[in-house]
This record gives sequence, C-alpha cells and structure tokens, in this order.
Amino acid sequence: EIVMTQSPATLSVSPGDRATLSCRASQSVGTAVVWYQQRPGQAPRLLISAASTRATGISVRFIGSGSGTEFTLSINNLQSEDSAIYYCQQYNHAPQTFGQGTKLEIK
Amino acid sequence: DVQLEQSGAEVKKPGESLKISCRGSGYNFGDYWIAWVRQMPGKGLEWMGFVYPDDSDTRFGPSFEGQVSMSVDRSLNKAFLQWSSLKASDTAMYFCARRVIGSNYFDYWGQGTLVIVSS
Repeated sequence: EIVMTQSPATLSVSPGDRATLSCRASQSVGTAVVWYQQRPGQAPRLLISAASTRATGISVRFIGSGSGTEFTLSINNLQSEDSAIYYCQQYNHAPQTFGQGTKLEIK
Repeated sequence: DVQLEQSGAEVKKPGESLKISCRGSGYNFGDYWIAWVRQMPGKGLEWMGFVYPDDSDTRFGPSFEGQVSMSVDRSLNKAFLQWSSLKASDTAMYFCARRVIGSNYFDYWGQGTLVIVSS
C-alpha cells in the first residue's frame, strides 16, 4: 500500500499571500494524484486531478504540480474561505490512499 | 446537477445493526461506482470500499473486508452501507462519493452521515 505523507501538518498564512502544501508518495505514482478541500463541517471537494488539472468550477488560484513522488498544491491570493484541511490522494496503485491532511489557517 | 444525498445522523448502541443510505441524482446512477469513505473524529479520510450499482459488484479496502457490507437498490438510485453488529470504534462520519469512470478518485461527495455508537 502506498503511503502519502503531507507537510506541513498545519500552515498559517496571511490573506493575500500564497500557501504551498506538499505531498510525498512512498513510491512513484506518476501523475495520478488528486487534491481535495474539506472546509469545517463539510464534505471533501475535488480541487485537482491528474496532479495539475483543476476540477470544474475551481478557481485559477489553485495550482497543482508534480510527478513521481513529489506533489505540490499552491494557493495564490489567499482568502478567508480557503481555511480548510487539504488532502492529497494517489490513484495509481490499488488501493487508492489518502494523505493525512494539511490544515490551512488564514491569519 | 449531480447530487449525492445521504441519510441522517444515527445514534446506536454497541451490538446493534445499522444501514445508512446514499441517493444519487442528476446522472445515470448505474454507470458509476459509489465509494464509502470513513472519517473518524478529528482524523483523515479512509476508503472503505466501492459498490457498482449496475450489478452490485463490491470491492473492499483491506481494513474493512468482513466488517461492513455494501449494497444498492437501483429502483431507488440508492447505495447502502450496513453493519450487523456495531462497535464503539465505528463512531465516525461516513461519506459516499462518486468514483470517476476509469479512475480511482471521487468527483462528487455526499454531505456525510454521522454515526455515534455509545452505550
């Protein structure tokens, strides 16, 4: 089973700044990584698939990158509504596995 | 619009049985696997398994095989997650999600069903 490790566990960033979230896979998963956003009390929402493709309706402020074992989610021009937990997930190898999440706080 | 609507919160005692549901609308329900995902209090997301509405085929995650069952009712466009004997450790939020065709990730999610198991 592939282990997805996210860092940092918590990130505190000011409005208008950029946040950079990392996700590392225990072995290569190509570009088969997605990112989800889970706001407090809500269900997860798909942000990015195939490492860098924004889902329908997702703001251009969200940028995914990476391949192999290293992946990054960047969020530009941070807004209060971006306060959430962000999860990566690989789907290259069964079973698909999630990272443990990064909590993003907006100062 | 694609929607997954889950049944309401449940409070049960250890040893009781439970069946929760997820109704899909706005798409051809039979064409997409439905996943169940567990989120224990304050924790991350764990894939439990899939059920395929068209033929009720199921796949389970390694930690959930034999612990839960999954089924569908095509006439109701509903998928179900069921326990025969709940444990306190089953206390969690349970989400259903639609699996993208040909991939193992999820594009639409239900709002979640909170299950509390307490004596």
